[in-house]
This record gives sequence, C-alpha cells and structure tokens, in this order.
Amino acid sequence: RKEVEQDPGPFNVPEGATVAFNCTYSNSASQSFFWYRQDCRKEPKLLMSVYSSGNEDGRFTAQLNRASQYISLLIRDSKLSDSATYLCVVNKDFNKFYFGSGTKLNVKP
Amino acid sequence: DTGVSQDPRHKITKRGQNVTFRCDPISEHNRLYWYRQTLGQGPEFLTYFQNEAQLEKSRLLSDRFSAERPKGSFSTLEIQRTEQGDSAMYLCASSLVEVGSTDTQYFGPGTRLTVL
Repeated sequence: RKEVEQDPGPFNVPEGATVAFNCTYSNSASQSFFWYRQDCRKEPKLLMSVYSSGNEDGRFTAQLNRASQYISLLIRDSKLSDSATYLCVVNKDFNKFYFGSGTKLNVKP
Repeated sequence: DTGVSQDPRHKITKRGQNVTFRCDPISEHNRLYWYRQTLGQGPEFLTYFQNEAQLEKSRLLSDRFSAERPKGSFSTLEIQRTEQGDSAMYLCASSLVEVGSTDTQYFGPGTRLTVL
C-alpha cells in the first residue's frame, strides 16, 4: 500500500468554481503535512503547510483529519493560474517525506 | 526562484556512461535531500544529508548511485553505468531544521536525465 494516495484527476472546473482535493496517508505516526503545487516540467513549490487546527491562506484552505488519516485542500474562486498538479506530502520520523502522485487541476475559462 | 540551484538542467547520455549532478542549497540550510521523479508520479526520496553527514538512503538508491556533501554546502549525485530506467527528473531540496520547527523543503529546478 502506498504511503500517500491521491486521486490523479484531472479535475476540470470553470473559473470561479470551488474545488476540493483529498489525500489519504497510511501511517498514523505521520507528523507533518504539506501541499505542494507543481507546474508542468517544473519543480514542486510549497503551497502551504497543514496544521491540526486547519489553516487558510487567501483562497486556499487546508484541513487535517488525523482520526481518518486524510488531508484536504479547498480552492475557492478558481483562477486560470491555479491549473497545476497538487502534491500531498506527509512527513514521518522527522526525515522521511512521502509524496502522493498528485492531483491534476485544469481551470477552464 | 527558491534559491536552490541545480546543474546541469538537462543531461542526455548513452547507456553505460557515468553522470554527475550538482545541487547548491539555500546557504543557511542544514538539510539537503535528493529525489527522483518520473512522469505521472510524485518525487521519490533517494537520500538526505544533515550538514555533511549522509543519514539515510532509500532502497531505490542502488550501488550505482552515490551522493556526497563534502563540506556541508553543495552536494553531488553520481550515477555510474547509467541504464535507461534511470531516465527521470532528479530533484534536490533543502531545508533549515531547528528545534521546534517544521522541516519545510524548498526544491531546485531539477536535472532532467535522458539515457539513450
């Protein structure tokens, strides 16, 4: 079983829509969680860390559910520039980072 | 631009040749990671350094792969006797780990390796 699983998508949404992605992780001892964004043929870029209490950064909201071992990312008012692959990342043992395969988002005009 | 640089950005080589990649992390960062990414997959951990010490290696890192970080600054990743299956993007990331902080990684642009 993979450490981190994501729906590969693609999610095709119109501009202005709200879209949500989930990611599940297998190890309950995981300590920290992140969402990264990756554009085609580019490196991953940190979007946001995910805290137990949930956190928001502008149009982006991340939630963590430790009991069910999933994290989520909500994007409100989608922009064309949000089109990318969103990678869920889970850290355990303070030095091992596990990446999901990514969820592809296409925002259409 | 995160401040992590990698060189070269692209490398095409013939099967059986050796290749070496370089990563320059953000200057004050004490941790440096190497990952490999293939099409449609997320990055896979290869190895990491805390300063100059290589603390962990993935089982993905066969004996043809070796990594160094001699002075705790830049790092090199060498692949000997390359195989077509080594074709991938090789990503370097660095982070500053302090007591009580979260290990947040910043990635370089990657080196895309094609083995013919």
